[in-house]
Amino acid sequence: NAGVTQTPKFRVLKTGQSMTLLCAQDMNHEYMYWYRQDPGMGLRLIHYSVGEGTTAKGEVPDGYNVSRLKKQNFLLGLESAAPSQTSVYFCASSPLVAPLHFGNGTRLTVT
Amino acid sequence: GNSVTQMEGPVTLSEEAFLTINCTYTATGYPSLFWYVQYPGEGLQLLLKATKADDKGSNKGFEATYRKETTSFHLEKGSVQVSDSAVYFCAFQRPNDYKLSFGAGTTVTVRA
Repeated sequence: NAGVTQTPKFRVLKTGQSMTLLCAQDMNHEYMYWYRQDPGMGLRLIHYSVGEGTTAKGEVPDGYNVSRLKKQNFLLGLESAAPSQTSVYFCASSPLVAPLHFGNGTRLTVT
Repeated sequence: GNSVTQMEGPVTLSEEAFLTINCTYTATGYPSLFWYVQYPGEGLQLLLKATKADDKGSNKGFEATYRKETTSFHLEKGSVQVSDSAVYFCAFQRPNDYKLSFGAGTTVTVRA
C-alpha cells in the first residue's frame, strides 16, 4: 500500500524561483494537509483541504498556495521562494476523524 | 489560546532505561490527545491516542494517560530499546475540529 506519497524528496531552489510539491494519497481520504517542520517549532499547518475543490489557510499560509483539483492530490506551490521557506514539508491525509497519515517529507533548501 | 507544550530534548538514555516525555495542553473543552513518532528519514506515525479524560492509550510498550486535572498526557515506556530512538510529538485535536496542533517534538536517542 502506497499511502501518502510526496514528490520530490529533496529540492534546492534559488531565491525567487518557484516550484510545486505534489502529494498523492490512495486511501480515499477526504481531508488533506500541508505542514512544515522546523527545528524547535514542531509541525505548523500551512494549508488544508476538506474535500476536492476546497482549500483553507492554516497557521502559516503566507508565501504558499495550494490546489486540490482531484480528491487524491494536494499540491503546494511556492511562487517566489525565500530562504525563510527552507524547511521539511509534510503532507498528510485523514478520513473524517483523525489519525493523520503522513508522507515521508520533502526537504527544501532555498539559497 | 489552545496549545500543547512538551518537554524539550534531546533526551539520551541507555537501553532498558525508563523513558518519560512530559506533555501538557491548554485548550477549552475536552480535546483528543495524541502521540506521534517520527523515525529517521520518515514521516510521522500515530503511536497512541486518548479521546477522553482518564483514557489510557498504549502501543509498542508506550503508555500515556489523559489527565484532565493536570491537563497532561505524559508518554512513558518502562524499558526502551535502541529502536525507540526517534522524535516524539505530542498533539491535540480540539472538539469538533479535525486539525491537529503539534508540540515542538522531543528527540530521544537510546544507546546500546
